[in-house]
Amino acid sequence: GNSVTQMEGPVTLSEEAFLTINCTYTATGYPSLFWYVQYPGEGLQLLLKATKADDKGSNKGFEATYRKETTSFHLEKGSVQVSDSAVYFCALSQTSGSRLTFGEGTQLTVNP
Amino acid sequence: GAGVSQSPSNKVTEKGKDVELRCDPISGHTALYWYRQSLGQGLEFLIYFQGNSAPDKSGLPSDRFSAERTGGSVSTLTIQRTQQEDSAVYLCASSLGHGAYEQYFGPGTRLTVT
Repeated sequence: GNSVTQMEGPVTLSEEAFLTINCTYTATGYPSLFWYVQYPGEGLQLLLKATKADDKGSNKGFEATYRKETTSFHLEKGSVQVSDSAVYFCALSQTSGSRLTFGEGTQLTVNP
Repeated sequence: GAGVSQSPSNKVTEKGKDVELRCDPISGHTALYWYRQSLGQGLEFLIYFQGNSAPDKSGLPSDRFSAERTGGSVSTLTIQRTQQEDSAVYLCASSLGHGAYEQYFGPGTRLTVT
């Protein structure tokens, strides 16, 4: 079956540090890949997505590239802010189905 | 416009009671999903509706769980004879349709079974 594995958290960084959150997946065919973010006290929001190999999703300074050869979709940001503190979820959906399969989530805390 | 809404926001119930959780999707969204977020299990898919039919209900954990959707809009998730392990945040999401469309999530219902 499908599965998503994220790097273990929590992650604590200082403001303006570089962020990488690793995500790898197992799936048949060519899934679509997503990063969702859950800010404190809020619901899940889509951060970015990529629907085919070598696509790069980007939003709010975050980027992730769909790497089929390494089955990865790592999230990066060059300079994090305190407001980026949240839980980040990597997810996939099969093109033939709609359910999202989520990773475990990574808690990010950014200190001023 | 209005997003996905869920009610109640919090529900505390005694073990063995039945509960109903409601989801109002974004107007015009034909696909609706239920997920569960719990400490031990992370985010799990429960059931997916396309219109009023449920082509994928494989994530429902037991026959105590059921869901329906009427008029292609509101959905209700029912848990019968609740158990303590049912305690979780139940999330509803909707999207324009089947496939890789963005899913928009509601704020969730926090269920606590005592």
